[in-house]
Amino acid sequence: SYELTQPPSVSVSPGQTARITCSADALPKQYAYWYQQKPGQAPVLVIYKDSERPSGIPERFSGSSSGTTVTLTISGVQAEDEADYYCQSADSSGRRVFGGGTKLTVL
Amino acid sequence: QVQLQESGPGLVKPSGTLSLTCAVSGGSISSSNWWSWVRQPPGKGLEWIGEIYHSGSTNYNPSLKSRVTISVDKSKNQFSLKLSSVTAADTAVYYCAREGFGELSDAFDIWGQGTMVTVSS
Repeated sequence: SYELTQPPSVSVSPGQTARITCSADALPKQYAYWYQQKPGQAPVLVIYKDSERPSGIPERFSGSSSGTTVTLTISGVQAEDEADYYCQSADSSGRRVFGGGTKLTVL
Repeated sequence: QVQLQESGPGLVKPSGTLSLTCAVSGGSISSSNWWSWVRQPPGKGLEWIGEIYHSGSTNYNPSLKSRVTISVDKSKNQFSLKLSSVTAADTAVYYCAREGFGELSDAFDIWGQGTMVTVSS
């Protein structure tokens, strides 16, 4: 079955750049989406269609894609960015699939 | 601004049926959006359950398809989830979410706050 693989955790110091990867196990890769989830809260969309940023999301959040891997980059990480991040895509039948999530820790 | 609000029992007995409703406010459920259910077991990741369009068309996660029914009530501007034959593995926070339209199509752009459902006798 179609799977998305994320690293369980990423740690960065404030002001540094955090990169979170999401690898699909098959081609073709559909568009990817990224969500931020803070404890006790619902997820929030931060990137859509691999690299587009919804209105209201800070410019320090960006996305990129290469082959079957997409990357969420947070430049100039702030303490408020500490959260779980999930990538999401779809398989060839349209089934929505989420990655296992990455816990971003701001040291 | 569209808002979503889940409601339903917080406790369901094993082998019973989990029933939740998502009320849509600030917009119409008959807009050009699909509407989804997503769940998250305690301490774990997100799992898509299925989606519905206002016409009644549905798509389900194959892993849950035999137990899931999603329906829409346009008169009440809401959609619902039924999950049958539940076990402890179905204990989770259940979210309803809107899938965007146009540029945001296929993105879950609006989420409800989530509701915790525990399966226990």
